[in-house]
Amino acid sequence: TQLLEQSPQFLSIQEGENLTVYCNSSSVFSSLQWYRQEPGEGPVLLVTVVTGGEVKKLKRLTFQFGDARKDSSLHITAAQPGDTGLYLCAGAKDSNYQLIWGAGTKLIIKP
Amino acid sequence: EPEVTQTPSHQVTQMGQEVILRCVPISNHLYFYWYRQILGQKVEFLVSFYNNEISEKSEIFDDQFSVERPDGSNFTLKIRSTKLEDSAMYFCASSAGLVPDTQYFGPGTRLTVL
Repeated sequence: TQLLEQSPQFLSIQEGENLTVYCNSSSVFSSLQWYRQEPGEGPVLLVTVVTGGEVKKLKRLTFQFGDARKDSSLHITAAQPGDTGLYLCAGAKDSNYQLIWGAGTKLIIKP
Repeated sequence: EPEVTQTPSHQVTQMGQEVILRCVPISNHLYFYWYRQILGQKVEFLVSFYNNEISEKSEIFDDQFSVERPDGSNFTLKIRSTKLEDSAMYFCASSAGLVPDTQYFGPGTRLTVL
């Protein structure tokens, strides 16, 4: 069974704090994507990581793909209320067309 | 910026009725997908479509479901006889190629089966 486990499921912090969200699996993925989803809307892609150990930065967001391509993390520096949302990771495997999804981390940044 | 569009945004139907959910993928994309998300649950893969045929489908995608690309722009998901448990958000996605090419998602159709 290919599962992606995200942690924490829910995180509420103050504006200005740093946070890290994790996406873990026992399976190897050829690529992993991070999405953000607002209520009642479709997931919006933030980043795709492909190479083991890869680090990508998107302003205050830093994404890392584990060396073994089984896990990934999303680190937000100096979180802002605008970062509030549901963050989803989704993995793809070479042999499949489908994306395997995590359950998401619901993030609330309080002003 | 090109985007995937879906219609309708919300569909309410009676149990046992047929529904067709419509999607217009990004124009130069070759791979098309349907996912669903039951309220409060994970996004789940339903089916992928390439070169006018299904390339992969999940266990959820049983004989009640079908997909079609009736013309050069639309991609549809048909549910023949809806059940209460079909109530969910249905997302269409498209990509230019296979992994690691990005799948771009539409805004979804909320299907409510009464």
